[in-house]
Amino acid sequence: AQSVTQPDIHITVSEGASLELRCNYSYGATPYLFWYVQSPGQGLQLLLKYFSGDTLVQGIKGFEAEFKRSQSSFNLRKPSVHWSDAAEYFCAVGGDSWGKLQFGAGTQVVVTP
Amino acid sequence: DVKVTQSSRYLVKRTGEKVFLECVQDMDHENMFWYRQDPGLGLRLIYFSYDVKMKEKGDIPEGYSVSREKKERFSLILESASTNQTSMYLCASSPQGLTRGYTFGSGTRLTVV
Repeated sequence: AQSVTQPDIHITVSEGASLELRCNYSYGATPYLFWYVQSPGQGLQLLLKYFSGDTLVQGIKGFEAEFKRSQSSFNLRKPSVHWSDAAEYFCAVGGDSWGKLQFGAGTQVVVTP
Repeated sequence: DVKVTQSSRYLVKRTGEKVFLECVQDMDHENMFWYRQDPGLGLRLIYFSYDVKMKEKGDIPEGYSVSREKKERFSLILESASTNQTSMYLCASSPQGLTRGYTFGSGTRLTVV
C-alpha cells in the first residue's frame, strides 16, 4: 500500500531564510509525486510534480523538489521565503490505474518578520 | 484553467439530517474525488468516480454515499449526519491518469451540531 510521511508538523522560518520540507513515501512501483500548498480557507494548489526524468523539478512560486529514489524522499525547497509562503504544504504520492493520490498529514509553515 | 466549484463554503447541519455537498467541474475531467481534511490527518479519500454512474470507495466511505449522474457533477451525501463528520470537505477532479495532478475546489466546511 502507498503511504506518505511528512515528519514535520510545524516549521517556523524567518522571511528571507531558506526552507526545506521533508516528504518520505512508500510505494511499490515508480511513484507519481506531488506537492500542494493550501492557503488559509482555500483549496489546494499544485506546486510541482514528478513522474520521471530529471530528479530536480521546478515549480511555481520559486519552489523546487528533488526526488531521491534511494531514500524514498521528495523534499521541497525554497531558497528565500516570503511572508506569502505561510501556508500548509502537502506531499502526495500515487500511481495506480485509478489515479488516486495518498496525501501526507501536512506541514504548517509560519513565516516570521 | 480548470475550475472546480463547491456549492457551499460553510454549512451548519443538525445531527441526523441528510446532507448534500455538491461539486461541479468545467473541463470534462473523467475522474472526480471527495476528500475530508482534518488537522493532523491530512486528506483522506472518501469516494471517487472515474466515469458517469461509476463510483469506488476510498479509505473512509462509512457514513457517506456519492452520486455522479452527469460527468461534470459529483455529489457527496451524508445519509444521517453525525458530529464526527464535522470537517472540511474537498472535491477534486483530474483527467484520466495522474500526469496533470488534481484540481481542487475551495472546500466546504461542514459543522454538525
